[in-house]
Order: sequence, then structure tokens, then C-alpha cells
Amino acid sequence: ETGVTQSPTHLIKTRGQQVTLRCSSQSGHNTVSWYQQALGQGPQFIFQYYREEENGRGNFPPRFSGLQFPNYSSELNVNALELDDSALYLCASSFARGGYNEQFFGPGTRLTVL
Amino acid sequence: AQSVTQLGSHVSVSEGALVLLRCNYSSSVPPYLFWYVQYPNQGLQLLLKYTSAATLVKGINGFEAEFKKSETSFHLTKPSAHMSDAAEYFCAVTTSIQGAQKLVFGQGTRLTINP
Repeated sequence: ETGVTQSPTHLIKTRGQQVTLRCSSQSGHNTVSWYQQALGQGPQFIFQYYREEENGRGNFPPRFSGLQFPNYSSELNVNALELDDSALYLCASSFARGGYNEQFFGPGTRLTVL
Repeated sequence: AQSVTQLGSHVSVSEGALVLLRCNYSSSVPPYLFWYVQYPNQGLQLLLKYTSAATLVKGINGFEAEFKKSETSFHLTKPSAHMSDAAEYFCAVTTSIQGAQKLVFGQGTRLTINP
């Protein structure tokens, strides 16, 4: 069974650029959540995708957007990058079945905005 | 809204000593609570979870936590610290937003083990 994978591992961008981060969910999972973890902070929920549609969003501006594909993999896109977007971006997959759905985290993508 | 507060951003113990990391939660409904560990430059690994079964929860690597409703606490303990326990620890609670089940994390506690 393959766990959650993310690519790339590290990324350096400049202000104003756009970035796409990728996540492959664990086998059998149909839901992907994205979190932003700034340095020295706990992860913050960005949004969740279920069956290719956004299924809940945290307090992030519209320049943070995402996609989920038929194979349940997902992308996080960030437009007009700002310095404060520098963070570790974590993807978590789960199987939505009602009740508690355990989330399994990938290793993260470290984004640095200069 | 559900939230968690971790008391102490940095805890330092000697190898072999008791580890105690504190977490208090706020929830309007019976919560699901978690402890995650994060090693440098890595993602989050689940240590243990409380999902309304036994109040004393045992996890991996010798860690355990006790759910105390009267104190709204879910403190993490380990009887004897090992050097490999040095890491960042996060307490989290589940909540729902627009139908999505999300995790709300505390600020984290950095655990240092002294030889």
C-alpha cells in the first residue's frame, strides 16, 4: 500500500509568481485536504476536496485554489505569491465514510518565496 | 468552534525522565483528539487518537494520553524519555467546516532530550 506522496520536496519562487504543488493520495482514499504550516506554527487548514469538488475551505484568499482528479490525486495552486506564503504545505488523504475519518499526511512541500 | 491550546512551546527533559506535554481543548461537541509528532523536515505522524472509546489511549513509541472531560485536557505522557523522542509535537481536534472534516492544531511543543 502506497502512502501519501507530495512533489516537489522543495521549491523556491519569487513574489508575484505562481506555483503548483502536487499530492498523490493513499490507495483507496477519496478525500484530500491541504494544510499550510508556517515556521514555528501548527498546520492551518486551507481546503478539502472530495469527489473532485471543494468540500470546505479555511481562512485563505481565493488566490489559493485546488483541483482533485478522477484518481483522487490533487493539486494546490497559489497565484501572486507573497512572502508570507513561505511555509511547509502538507497534504492529507482520507476515506470519507461518515463519523471520524483519519487523515494520513504526506511529507510536505517546503515553499520559499523570495 | 473547536480549538486546542498547548501549554509550553518548549519542554526539555533528561533522557530517562518522564515526558509530559500538555493540551487543553475547547469543543461544543464530544471531540476527537489527536497527538501528532513531526521530526525535522518531515510531515506529521500520528502518535495516538481519542475517538470516544477508552479514555486512556496508548500510542506508538511508548506514548499515551488520557482524555479528561472535566478538565478539558488530553495530555501526552511517556514514562521514560529517549533521545529519539526529540521532535515537535502537535495536539489536534477535529471539527467540521462546510461539510468537510478538518483538523485544528495547537501551536506545537518542541521536546528536547538532554543526555
